[in-house]
Amino acid sequence: AQSVTQLGSHVSVSEGALVLLRCNYSSSVPPYLFWYVQYPNQGLQLLLKYTTGATLVKGINGFEAEFKKSETSFHLTKPSAHMSDAAEYFCAVSAFNFGNEKLTFGTGTRLTIIP
Amino acid sequence: ETGVTQSPTHLIKTRGQQVTLRCSSQSGHNTVSWYQQALGQGPQFIFQYYREEENGRGNFPPRFSGLQFPNYSSELNVNALELDDSALYLCASSLEGENTDTQYFGPGTRLTVL
Repeated sequence: AQSVTQLGSHVSVSEGALVLLRCNYSSSVPPYLFWYVQYPNQGLQLLLKYTTGATLVKGINGFEAEFKKSETSFHLTKPSAHMSDAAEYFCAVSAFNFGNEKLTFGTGTRLTIIP
Repeated sequence: ETGVTQSPTHLIKTRGQQVTLRCSSQSGHNTVSWYQQALGQGPQFIFQYYREEENGRGNFPPRFSGLQFPNYSSELNVNALELDDSALYLCASSLEGENTDTQYFGPGTRLTVL
């Protein structure tokens, strides 16, 4: 079984400040990890993913995340927040099994950017 | 732009009715998954279809059913609607091949059950 815990349902940062959204996972097999962003009244857009290889993953819009197996974490960061980053962010985990890529999502973190 | 479309955008039904939601994926996307996202929650996996066969199911009752068609379209059917079925329903498709770990989501259908 797999699960994801996102610490902090709401995070507020000032424009230009560091963004840090926390995600911890539980998985009985090597995980695939994802961050998705959801803007109001829209579907989910993939920000970045970790499957294998390099543990520091770079995504779109200046976001990156680091897979830390020892800490079972996959925190999302961005050096400098922009007003357009305001959205809901979801961390998700899957265990790749060909043709059965079920995603298990966290409950989400709403990011607010303070001007 | 993910190339995944869903219809309708919004839908209002009453308790006990039946509803069909539709999803259209890109060519080559042989896997489609459906998720239910209740207000303020993360998406919950309903089921997945691979090449027109159900290939995994979450904790949803049998009144949630689906179909996948050869033209990369799919349907989610819900019978005997309940108030708790009110949610955003998302479909997601995967390209068969080296990127099957990535799911591309549609914009969703918001279902309201009164």
